[in-house]
Amino acid sequence: GAVVSQHPSWVICKSGTSVKIECRSLDFQATTMFWYRQFPKQSLMLMATSNEGSKATYEQGVEKDKFLINHASLTLSTLTVTSAHPEDSSFYICSAREGQANTEAFFGQGTRLTVV
Amino acid sequence: GESVGLHLPTLSVQEGDNSIINCAYSNSASDYFIWYKQESGKGPQFIIDIRSNMDKRQGQRVTVLLNKTVKHLSLQIAATQPGDSAVYFCAENRANDYKLSFGAGTTVTVRA
Repeated sequence: GAVVSQHPSWVICKSGTSVKIECRSLDFQATTMFWYRQFPKQSLMLMATSNEGSKATYEQGVEKDKFLINHASLTLSTLTVTSAHPEDSSFYICSAREGQANTEAFFGQGTRLTVV
Repeated sequence: GESVGLHLPTLSVQEGDNSIINCAYSNSASDYFIWYKQESGKGPQFIIDIRSNMDKRQGQRVTVLLNKTVKHLSLQIAATQPGDSAVYFCAENRANDYKLSFGAGTTVTVRA
């Protein structure tokens, strides 16, 4: 299958700082990218959907000013957690689709964020 | 609201036996379903998918069954191996909607 690379795989930051997570589709053009958050022993919760060249669509309850998403090209999307707090500590996962809605979504390996 | 859910949170299986993981969905507009496997600390890995115009699809050692009448999805794993130990999620996609919603997940543990 297609490869989605996510970087970094883990990061520790201080409260109040910002962290950027990158998601790249390596061998296909990702029309749509998704960002999920997963707490321990829980399911993946969709945070936002981004389409190349347009603003991201955020799910209800997700602060768009805190979780900045940029999808500047068909192979790269970034998630920036601004002014991070310990409660933002989680496993963040990106996913990408090449085209139509009813097609396989490929996932990155995830980023473990710990805010101290 | 409508969501994808799972009947059982955990499943313990003897190595070599068949596993069946169940999933209930309530969104009648969903027309595409995917099963994912997630190992600890990793992203979800695609296992198999099925569209709503089908009721069964087979892969290597895996079979997905879809019952639209009762909105039920299942994943069967034949001859379960230790490497199959993981959390399994079903995910649904509504028609013409790019969003993929995940169920709660079932933790499968394979006993040697």
